[in-house]
Amino acid sequence: DVKVTQSSRYLVKRTGEKVFLECVQDMDHENMFWYRQDPGLGLRLIYFSYDVKMKEKGDIPEGYSVSREKKERFSLILESASTNQTSMYLCASSRPGDVFEQYFGPGTRLTVT
Amino acid sequence: QQPVQSPQAVILREGEDAVINCSSSKALYSVHWYRQKHGEAPVFLMILLKGGEQKGHDKISASFNEKKQQSSLYLTASQLSYSGTYFCGTEVYGNNRLAFGKGNQVVVIP
Repeated sequence: DVKVTQSSRYLVKRTGEKVFLECVQDMDHENMFWYRQDPGLGLRLIYFSYDVKMKEKGDIPEGYSVSREKKERFSLILESASTNQTSMYLCASSRPGDVFEQYFGPGTRLTVT
Repeated sequence: QQPVQSPQAVILREGEDAVINCSSSKALYSVHWYRQKHGEAPVFLMILLKGGEQKGHDKISASFNEKKQQSSLYLTASQLSYSGTYFCGTEVYGNNRLAFGKGNQVVVIP
């Protein structure tokens, strides 16, 4: 059974804190993605990675960075959390190729106070 | 670059049909459809490729009009399990990067 796991389901942090969101997949997928989901806005791509140590900016990268030191792990970092980063964060992975499906993790609901 | 989905919400009775749409202003390489139930992660339904190949769900069908850069998802003889939010994801450059729309909320009632 394929699996994408995220380190926390719920997280509460204070403004200015450094926040790490971890994502691990067990499918040996090359591609990994971080999205944020807000009511009425759908899923917006923050960063993605095609391979270890590779990263590409998505549509809303400001205020975020990522790290991919191992193929199975993709971390999202909020350098200095702000209240407007309160959101649901979803990680996904996929194989590369023409016909691919993204497998999503359960999400981390982050609240920044 | 975010695709536009319509209608925003649909309410239908069990057994009825519905069509939900996704359109893009850019030439598309592929269109994906995902369904998300409340409190759960999105789940892949199907992919439609430029050139007409389709791979996906056995009870829900879709079409892709390459000239108009539009895709439609057909919910036929809807079941209660069809309830959820449907997201289309569009791939522009063939690089496996998807832009998702805001979603179509579908509610199927008995």
